Amino acid sequence: SAVISQKPSRDICQRGTSLTIQCQVDSQVTMMFWYRQQPGQSLTLIATANQGSEATYESGFVIDKFPISRPNLTFSTLTVSNMSPEDSSIYLCSVEEGTEQYFGPGTRLTVT
Amino acid sequence: AQKITQTQPGMFVQEKEAVTLDCTYDTSDQSYGLFWYKQPSSGEMIFLIYQGSYDEQNATEGRYSLNFQKARKSANLVISASQLGDSAMYFCAMRPLYSSASKIIFGSGTRLSIRP
Repeated sequence: SAVISQKPSRDICQRGTSLTIQCQVDSQVTMMFWYRQQPGQSLTLIATANQGSEATYESGFVIDKFPISRPNLTFSTLTVSNMSPEDSSIYLCSVEEGTEQYFGPGTRLTVT
Repeated sequence: AQKITQTQPGMFVQEKEAVTLDCTYDTSDQSYGLFWYKQPSSGEMIFLIYQGSYDEQNATEGRYSLNFQKARKSANLVISASQLGDSAMYFCAMRPLYSSASKIIFGSGTRLSIRP
């Protein structure tokens, strides 16, 4: 199975600032996914990132708030911009491997 | 529209007993995959088991098995001989296969607590 790492594992940020989360995979993958999990909730897909093209955002998520980069087949970043306390969540990146899907360890973000 | 329903928000089970976590789904896709994930308090999503819609046999992975009943659109997770380390949130998920718009959707989760 794919091994996925994320940095940072957790952070506490002030409102109005931005945080960039990195996701690294140990193999080349076509699509990478970014999810948000708000406290006590299930996972919600933010966007799908393909290498060499713009990310595709789900309803309710916009590029200005969550810009994504995908410079190569093993790496992606998600930026949470102009943060507010409502952005406090776990952010997870994910990849498909065949029919299965794996997740990184997550980034636990707290916005004060 | 696709939907995953987990009707058990929380469950308490005695250690060493078997436990069944319920999951029903709704989809118009002919080919799809069903997943179960475990999320401990650390927040990571641990892949447990996968079942394809065309798989005739129920999937098994160690102490985990997936009771797949296609006609009833259910994909229950069975954990045999539960252990204290099984205490966690469990999410059922589904994804259409062979679709350009394929994305995985999750149920609301079941919090499983194992009593010593």
